[in-house]
Amino acid sequence: KAGVTQTPRYLIKTRGQQVTLSCSPISGHRSVSWYQQTPGQGLQFLFEYFSETQRNKGNFPGRFSGRQFSNSRSEMNVSTLELGDSALYLCASSYPGQGETQYFGPGTRLLVL
Amino acid sequence: GDSVTQMEGPVTLSEEAFLTINCTYTATGYPSLFWYVQYPGEGLQLLLKATKADDKGSNKGFEATYRKETTSFHLEKGSVQVSDSAVYFCALSLRGQGAQKLVFGQGTRLTINP
Repeated sequence: KAGVTQTPRYLIKTRGQQVTLSCSPISGHRSVSWYQQTPGQGLQFLFEYFSETQRNKGNFPGRFSGRQFSNSRSEMNVSTLELGDSALYLCASSYPGQGETQYFGPGTRLLVL
Repeated sequence: GDSVTQMEGPVTLSEEAFLTINCTYTATGYPSLFWYVQYPGEGLQLLLKATKADDKGSNKGFEATYRKETTSFHLEKGSVQVSDSAVYFCALSLRGQGAQKLVFGQGTRLTINP
């Protein structure tokens, strides 16, 4: 089975722009979660989607948003980018019945200039 | 709130040394516990997990036991290899109304010298 895939792998944007990141979960997985990883704050939970509904949200400003499609693929969007949004954005998927085990993609590295 | 605390890094060992990375947690209820590993330039890989007290997770020579009485989940390996050099994250999983969320420790960078 193919693992979690994320596109693009690298991205450079400037302050004030917006960005959309994409995540395709493992086939059959219906839950998709997003995390932000930075050297200063570590790994922080952004949000989780299940069956196209946001079930849980972390403590991030409204500039961070996401959605999930009927095929379980997910996107996250960051509007009005700030320098502090530079990070590795990780997506993880899980399968109902396998408990809370989440499987991660390789991440998208975003650099905001 | 719920949190995970890992031993400070970086940790540097010689090949074939014994490894322990300490992890303690604070949580309401009974979380599941995980160790993930991150190699340079990659995402997180699940190393092992335990879902209830006294469970032992194991994989690739690594082990960790869920200790409810000490709220700990320490990672151990009897003989490390150069290829074990990576960053290790301890995490707990919270469930609320079916939603899933991982809370991570700060990570411990491990370097193994030949």
